[in-house]
Amino acid sequence: DSGVTQTPKHLITATGQRVTLRCSPRSGDLSVYWYQQSLDQGLQFLIHYYNGEERAKGNILERFSAQQFPDLHSELNLSSLELGDSALYFCASSVGPETEAFFGQGTRLTVV
Amino acid sequence: AQTVTQSQPEMSVQEAETVTLSCTYDTSESDYYLFWYKQPPSRQMILVIRQEAYKQQNATENRFSVNFQKAAKSFSLKISDSQLGDAAMYFCAYRSGGGHWGAQKLVFGQGTRLTINP
Repeated sequence: DSGVTQTPKHLITATGQRVTLRCSPRSGDLSVYWYQQSLDQGLQFLIHYYNGEERAKGNILERFSAQQFPDLHSELNLSSLELGDSALYFCASSVGPETEAFFGQGTRLTVV
Repeated sequence: AQTVTQSQPEMSVQEAETVTLSCTYDTSESDYYLFWYKQPPSRQMILVIRQEAYKQQNATENRFSVNFQKAAKSFSLKISDSQLGDAAMYFCAYRSGGGHWGAQKLVFGQGTRLTINP
């Protein structure tokens, strides 16, 4: 157990809908990263938050947004969902930007 | 931009034998970190081993060791005495050592699926 908690573990939703994925980092970790794992794109970095502030963006679609709250948990919001958004979404956390990141178990999103 | 390439989509090995997974990367940076992650069927991404580019000594963690060839930009993972529990997808990953915020992301290879034959 990495100490990073992601909910829900599985999510099935229809095209055009909006979902929210939640991540609770390890106790004391200020950095939260979101990654997407899909069959065609592999593992890709989406976004990084540090202590509530967005610090870096990767290949994140405009339909996707994220935030990190004062208690340091983070949410990834995916809207106007398309079939191609079906993927495994990982959250990872670390104490700071140059320390080891630990991954949660991921949320499997299926868009039908 | 940095890239990571794993040229072996699948590998298999007999239990108790040794297997080597290959990884090459492309970067113009001199300060960086390399990682091997394991993803078993449970989907959890588990850090196997880490190598700092400034260290000449190859990292080892029990049965796992790396062969880091900085000039060749090669970073292979050797698993000795393979066990059934080693069966998983293995991902090679790169992270910049730079201090700017955008450097902290991991760049992953496509993965190698390792099968252990009993």
